[in-house]
Amino acid sequence: QSALTQPASVSGSPGQSITISCTGSSSDVGRYNLVSWYQQHPGKAPKLMIYEVTKRPSGVSNRFSGSKSGNTASLTISGLQAEDEADYYCCSFAVSSTLVFGGGTKVTVL
Amino acid sequence: EVQLVESGGGLVQPGGSLRLSCAGSGFTVSNNYRSWVRQAPGKGLEWVSGFYSAGSTYYADSVRGRFTISGDDSKNMLFLQMSSLIVEDTAVYYCASGLPPGLWGRGTLVTVSS
Repeated sequence: QSALTQPASVSGSPGQSITISCTGSSSDVGRYNLVSWYQQHPGKAPKLMIYEVTKRPSGVSNRFSGSKSGNTASLTISGLQAEDEADYYCCSFAVSSTLVFGGGTKVTVL
Repeated sequence: EVQLVESGGGLVQPGGSLRLSCAGSGFTVSNNYRSWVRQAPGKGLEWVSGFYSAGSTYYADSVRGRFTISGDDSKNMLFLQMSSLIVEDTAVYYCASGLPPGLWGRGTLVTVSS
């Protein structure tokens, strides 16, 4: 049950696009199309932004998109806005019906 | 309103025990995979345990043998019995519903300290 690997920080200017990677293994990201992404603002509970690699829950902006290739999943935020500044976590279903999170990425809007 | 509300957190000494509760309202929790996820101060999210039913429970290696997850579907409740607590268990504990977890509570703080 090793945590998924994410970059510690990513930054971009308003209007730009950024991509956050999430690297796992053949026991989690590579095995299942059950990768999700969460946004967390300070002092708040996580909010589901992407599920099943590419799907967006109702109410989530289409500026957020997800993808996966092999053992690595990615979250792209297009048209970066000040409100997107937050911590982002990937999460994958894994063997034995467990879940595993990434270490988190702090997104800064310059 | 659809929500989850955790309770039971607090200060406990190393080696002690604590029982967390999670009350669901506005929906039936028994229809969903339920999880406990924790977040140590200034750290990232860590999945702790998952629950479908009494015969389907799952644990992270870090808590297996010390924590027990259970549910009371008649009361729309989820529980986490924590024993042999260590300092590293200090965290905000979130209850979450769904797979992946889509509905989260606000969390309850557990502090393990002497």
